[in-house]
Amino acid sequence: DAKTTQPPSMDCAEGRAANLPCNHSTISGNEYVYWYRQIHSQGPQYIIHGLKNNETNEMASLIITEDRKSSTLILPHATLRDTAVYYCIVRVPMEYGNKLVFGAGTILRVKS
Amino acid sequence: GAVVSQHPSRVICKSGTSVKIECRSLDFQATTMFWYRQFPKQSLMLMATSNEGSKATYEQGVEKDKFLINHASLTLSTLTVTSAHPEDSSFYICSAHSGSRGYGYTFGSGTRLTVV
Repeated sequence: DAKTTQPPSMDCAEGRAANLPCNHSTISGNEYVYWYRQIHSQGPQYIIHGLKNNETNEMASLIITEDRKSSTLILPHATLRDTAVYYCIVRVPMEYGNKLVFGAGTILRVKS
Repeated sequence: GAVVSQHPSRVICKSGTSVKIECRSLDFQATTMFWYRQFPKQSLMLMATSNEGSKATYEQGVEKDKFLINHASLTLSTLTVTSAHPEDSSFYICSAHSGSRGYGYTFGSGTRLTVV
């Protein structure tokens, strides 16, 4: 019951901004959007999350459209170490609490 | 920051035996822990959710008698794969969440299970 759609792969030049799109057209009003990344054979690493407003932290920026049907993760200056699978996730409510249901993700390749 | 330790990182077991994987939150109390499975070149699939002191909630299609989950304390959850078969070979990843620490979900480094 993944609620997100992402391009399977993207390339980005080192030092340039990487813009990773995500479609979540069925998102509900109180469901957050999370972004994680996974480097080969490791556990996912938290990047950023948001509900309605754009968010920025030391790793990235998250731009959410006004209708909340899509978002974009921006890595402002991509490095080779940013090569990973990036997952856009909608946090889904459960009977007690919430859960993260992963979609297919985008393989980002940063090239020198 | 929040740290989740998962052990072992790799395990090889014989078909028909059971394997236990531990997931510990090192610097926070995890009210909820999650177990995922990941096959090669695929995404993470949520198997079950456990709250401390209560029974786990399994996702549709996951056999609860085969994948036993125990969340006996606020810092420890275990996943036991019973009567393992080669098709259970996978990468198992846990995640821990504390409602008192905001909205973060911290993942362990994963366990590579190979059943021979």
